[in-house]
Amino acid sequence: QSALTQPASVSGSPGQSITISCTGTSSDVGAHKYVSWYQQHPGKVPRVMIFDVSTRPSGVSHRFSGSKSGNTASLTISGLQPEDEGDYFCRSFTTSSTYVFGPGTTVTVL
Amino acid sequence: EVQLVESGGDLLQPGGSLRLSCVASGFSFSRYWMEWVRQTPGKGLVWLSEINGDGRVTNYADSVKGRFTISRDNPKNTLYLHMNSLTVEDTAVYYCARGGDHSSDYWGQGTLVTVSS
Repeated sequence: QSALTQPASVSGSPGQSITISCTGTSSDVGAHKYVSWYQQHPGKVPRVMIFDVSTRPSGVSHRFSGSKSGNTASLTISGLQPEDEGDYFCRSFTTSSTYVFGPGTTVTVL
Repeated sequence: EVQLVESGGDLLQPGGSLRLSCVASGFSFSRYWMEWVRQTPGKGLVWLSEINGDGRVTNYADSVKGRFTISRDNPKNTLYLHMNSLTVEDTAVYYCARGGDHSSDYWGQGTLVTVSS
């Protein structure tokens, strides 16, 4: 069982914005800025979309943004596009010097 | 181009042992933390372990501590995961990943480990 919680699914129409939450505790998400988000398409390898809560790696669309408030981190996808469909996992560093993933959220573009 | 290629996955019985390998290319291997992450088919990601560039610092998830050992051979650009006392719950695709800025910025294609009687 994941120490982080995410909604099982989030959906939106093309062009809309959606937000995926990732709730942890003061021992992980709330402890520091080391939250990252990964996109995974079916049968594909995960791809990092956000690291350090809100930093986009080179090559990731500006439509993806991250934030954090207290023990909850969030990933927002603006201007939703069909290719954004897939699973999204958050990950947080912990005070035990380990990492923990959330269970994943399936994004559906209606 | 950064490439990570895992190997060593196999079908084995409960209680068995296995060593996974991950050959890296396209970057200065010894300068990066490296990680192992697994994924049960159709399910989520589980972080397992990491090792620093010179191999002196390692961290493990509680679920594998004492059973799994991460190591690296920098001259061979190779990362390893030694797994002991395997159970059916260890059945998964095992990925190696490069650690960058407290994230996994490059992933291999994975190698399948199946534990079954």
